[in-house]
Amino acid sequence: AQKVTQAQTEISVVEKEDVTLDCVYETRDTTYYLFWYKQPPSGELVFLIRRNSFDEQNEISGRYSWNFQKSTSSFNFTITASQVVDSAVYFCALSDFYSGGGADGLTFGKGTHLIIQP
Amino acid sequence: NAGVTQTPKFRILKIGQSMTLQCTQDMNHNYMYWYRQDPGMGLKLIYYSVGAGITDKGEVPNGYNVSRSTTEDFPLRLELAAPSQTSVYFCASSATKGGSGEKLFFGSGTQLSVL
Repeated sequence: AQKVTQAQTEISVVEKEDVTLDCVYETRDTTYYLFWYKQPPSGELVFLIRRNSFDEQNEISGRYSWNFQKSTSSFNFTITASQVVDSAVYFCALSDFYSGGGADGLTFGKGTHLIIQP
Repeated sequence: NAGVTQTPKFRILKIGQSMTLQCTQDMNHNYMYWYRQDPGMGLKLIYYSVGAGITDKGEVPNGYNVSRSTTEDFPLRLELAAPSQTSVYFCASSATKGGSGEKLFFGSGTQLSVL
């Protein structure tokens, strides 16, 4: 069965510090997708990144970077030089191509609340 | 682009009342979804639709109903509201099945309290 674990319920750091959000997943399938979504205080979930199971290249986008490691079933998210605007709840999600619950085929983690203090 | 629009943003219901959460999207997406988000629990799928006239249950459908008469609209109906339905509700859409790696576009959410 699919499972996504975000063990960090809440993280608080001071602005400009680097911070890593952990995501560990479980799936029996060889083809799957991993996502990160951001939920700012305004409430709307915003797509950040998608990675398929055959692409283990790390990704960097500005201050954001993602480390995908199949060997440890992890898809961690790092924010470099954090800013107050990064404060949000971040969700990791897993999509199984062949199965999964419902048409969305998505399993969400419980989210990590990131607080960036000025 | 408006994207996915949900109304209302906030609502307080009394136990036993009914209401409809509205959701509309202007991206011509076939797939639409309703999720609920409980504190510290992530998102759980209530109902979904793969196109006009076709809907199906998700993980937590009890106490809810949906309809999909047009591509754009996907309302969620709460009958006989109960305190357990106090939650934040999100509508989302995607061009193709989410399970194929398609990203979802979300509305801004409806915060519902049943007292």
